[in-house]
Amino acid sequence: NAGVMQNPRHLVRRRGQEARLRCSPMKGHSHVYWYRQLPEEGLKFMVYLQKENIIDESGMPKERFSAEFPKEGPSILRIQQVVRGDSAAYFCASSVGEYNEQFFGPGTRLTVL
Amino acid sequence: KQEVTQIPAALSVPEGENLVLNCSFTDSAIYNLQWFRQDPGKGLTSLLLIQSSQREQTSGRLNASLDKSSGRSTLYIAASQPGDSATYLCAVRPSTGFQKLVFGTGTRLLVSP
Repeated sequence: NAGVMQNPRHLVRRRGQEARLRCSPMKGHSHVYWYRQLPEEGLKFMVYLQKENIIDESGMPKERFSAEFPKEGPSILRIQQVVRGDSAAYFCASSVGEYNEQFFGPGTRLTVL
Repeated sequence: KQEVTQIPAALSVPEGENLVLNCSFTDSAIYNLQWFRQDPGKGLTSLLLIQSSQREQTSGRLNASLDKSSGRSTLYIAASQPGDSATYLCAVRPSTGFQKLVFGTGTRLLVSP
């Protein structure tokens, strides 16, 4: 049973470009969470999604960031017009239900030049 | 607002020592508490999960305790080994807004041979 998969593992973008991060949850999991880990900081919650629905996006920056979890395919975290401050590790987690344990993927490390 | 603090921020010990990592949280209304291990550039590995009704959990050389009323948890590592070198993260799942794990900034452990 494969774990949570994220790709790419490393992503380099220049300022102003778009970054697309993908997360495939564990089989049977329909709840997805995104967290961001800035350098020398703890992980911070960004957004919680179920299939086709954003349930809680209270941790998402108001501009340039968006997330989706379509009926088919992976969850996508999209960052438009990236800035240097977006450089971080972005982790995805999934769970079988909202009360169940969250399992984390290996993360995508975004570097903005 | 729930805040999680981990002390010490870094710890260096010789192989074979028993050690204790500390985690404190400001709001005792939690659903559970989880300890993770993070290796450099890697994802999170769940070590132990303690439900709010439990006092401790054990796995091999690891023992985690929870004192909800005082807002504290400790991770005890017996007979430390160089392979234990990693960053250890504590995460609290609040009773309200339980989809969002709240992480501490971690304790960076180095075990030297």
